[in-house]
Amino acid sequence: DSGVTQTPKHLITATGQRVTLRCSPRSGDLSVYWYQQSLDQGLQFLIQYYNGEERAKGNILERFSAQQFPDLHSELNLSSLELGDSALYFCASSIRTGPSYEQYFGPGTRLTVT
Amino acid sequence: EDQVTQSPEALRLQEGESSSLNCSYTVSGLRGLFWYRQDPGKGPEFLFTLYSAGEEKEKERLKATLTKKESFLHITAPKPEDSATYLCAVQALGDKAAGNKLTFGGGTRVLVKP
Repeated sequence: DSGVTQTPKHLITATGQRVTLRCSPRSGDLSVYWYQQSLDQGLQFLIQYYNGEERAKGNILERFSAQQFPDLHSELNLSSLELGDSALYFCASSIRTGPSYEQYFGPGTRLTVT
Repeated sequence: EDQVTQSPEALRLQEGESSSLNCSYTVSGLRGLFWYRQDPGKGPEFLFTLYSAGEEKEKERLKATLTKKESFLHITAPKPEDSATYLCAVQALGDKAAGNKLTFGGGTRVLVKP
């Protein structure tokens, strides 16, 4: 158990709809990262928040947005869903070790868009 | 742009048959190279961080090594429970906009048969 929690585990919805994925980082971790894993693209970085502020953006679509709240939990909002958005969505939080930041991943949310 | 390539894509081993997985990377400056294990439908599980060429780390039957262009994950006398996808990722030294994101390779699927 990494200590990172994500809800829900599974989500099935229709095209055009909007969903919210939730993540709580490990106790004490200030950074939250979101990643998308699909069969054809592998694990792709979406966005990073640090202590409530957006820190970095990756391959995140304009239809997707995220925020980090004062209690450090984060939400990823996906709107106008398309079939191609079906994927596993992972959240991670990090701890600094030496020069790098080790990231620990949650169990993921499996999104199916029908 | 940071790139990570893993080979082979898949590996079938007999129990006890040692082998190595390769991770080739290009990055402007390496903050850290990470190995993760991922079981189907689960979140990546952190294994190792390597920082500099020549570094080695071990955990049970796994040993990771790092050169300036590659990393290897050696599996010694594997057991069926070592069956999983092994992911390699790099974290770059970069500007603030890059954050501390991980860039992942496509993974190597390992199947160990009894």
